[in-house]
Amino acid sequence: GNSVTQMEGPVTLSEEAFLTINCTYTATGYPSLFWYVQYPGEGLQLLLKATKADDKGSNKGFEATYRKETTSFHLEKGSVQVSDSAVYFCALSGAQGAQKLVFGQGTRLTINP
Amino acid sequence: GAVVSQHPSRVICKSGTSVKIECRSLDFQATTMFWYRQFPKQSLMLMATSNEGSKATYEQGVEKDKFLINHASLTLSTLTVTSAHPEDSSFYICSARGPTSGRTDTQYFGPGTRLTVL
Repeated sequence: GNSVTQMEGPVTLSEEAFLTINCTYTATGYPSLFWYVQYPGEGLQLLLKATKADDKGSNKGFEATYRKETTSFHLEKGSVQVSDSAVYFCALSGAQGAQKLVFGQGTRLTINP
Repeated sequence: GAVVSQHPSRVICKSGTSVKIECRSLDFQATTMFWYRQFPKQSLMLMATSNEGSKATYEQGVEKDKFLINHASLTLSTLTVTSAHPEDSSFYICSARGPTSGRTDTQYFGPGTRLTVL
């Protein structure tokens, strides 16, 4: 079945540091890939997505590229801010017609000033 | 756009009572809604998928008689936790998705409901 594996957290960085959160997946066909962010006490917000190989999703300085050859969708940001502190979830949605989102375990990110 | 609301945001109830949680899509028609449960510091676990006007499809291990889901309109789904017990205490999150078009399959999430059963 489909699955998503994220790097284990927590991750702690200083402000303006470079961020990478690794995400790899296992899926049949061509899934859509997502990154969601969850701020403390809140629900999930869609951060970015990519629907086909080599697509790059980007938003708020975050980027992730759909790499089919390595089955990866790593999240990156060049310079993090304290306000980026949150839990980040990588997820996939199966090939067209399938509806369920499969989530990774989440990575807690803390940015120190 | 694509705003999903949940009500209430927090609820505390006594063991044995029932609690209803509402999920609304505010600016789009949600043909499909999903209910998730999230335990502290863990990922989301899909409980059920509901399509407007039809019965919900529950994931394996989720008791359909305990977690009643109704999706009566294109903008509203409700989750009722019947005869709640302390082990039902959790963060319940809904999501909604509009009509699919090609590969458009983004789910938009509500802010979640914190249920505490005493």
